Amino acid sequence: DGGITQSPKYLFRKEGQNVTLSCEQNLNHDAMYWYRQDPGQGLRLIYYSQIVNDFQKGDIAEGYSVSREKKESFPLTVTSAQKNPTAFYLCASSIGQRHNEKLFFGSGTQLSVL
Amino acid sequence: GQNIDQPTEMTATEGAIVQINCTYQTSGFNGLFWYQQHAGEAPTFLSYNVLDGLEEKGRFSSFLSRSKGYSYLLLKELQMKDSASYLCAVRDIDYQLIWGAGTKLIIKP
Repeated sequence: DGGITQSPKYLFRKEGQNVTLSCEQNLNHDAMYWYRQDPGQGLRLIYYSQIVNDFQKGDIAEGYSVSREKKESFPLTVTSAQKNPTAFYLCASSIGQRHNEKLFFGSGTQLSVL
Repeated sequence: GQNIDQPTEMTATEGAIVQINCTYQTSGFNGLFWYQQHAGEAPTFLSYNVLDGLEEKGRFSSFLSRSKGYSYLLLKELQMKDSASYLCAVRDIDYQLIWGAGTKLIIKP
């Protein structure tokens, strides 16, 4: 079955540590996204990528980094510069950002700080 | 600024009908989406409206009025599994998605 796989489901970060969240899709979608979800707030866009080897900052990119070396993969690194990383992180994909296409989401990663 | 407003929480009874409202103020409009999200899980697509009117899909319907900056999601014959958060999102003039904070729907027997 096609879909988006995020791992791990739960992740803990120590002070000063970088952590990487995995996102893989086998839907053959061009566009991929990373969102952050905090209680009582709407989804906020961290980074997005429309094609391989290209990505753009979203609304809250500071303290995060991404890569898009393969169409299927869009990992997110939460760096030590992100001072408030505790949140639920959602990866999504769509056929193309400018299309009238729905987003397909992964099951999310809950990141907490030790 | 751009803004999407939804009620924070609603409660309804199994078998009944509930309407979840969404009002928006955005820079341009290129469609409105509704997603369902069970706690700790992935949001899943419910509906998309770009023209005024009602779109019906089984027990779920979605309505849009662009002149009023208003949409609602109507859920009929409520089931316990409909307990979830419902997210409203608007695509603006640049095709960027603006998300509401979501409405948590609690279904009681």
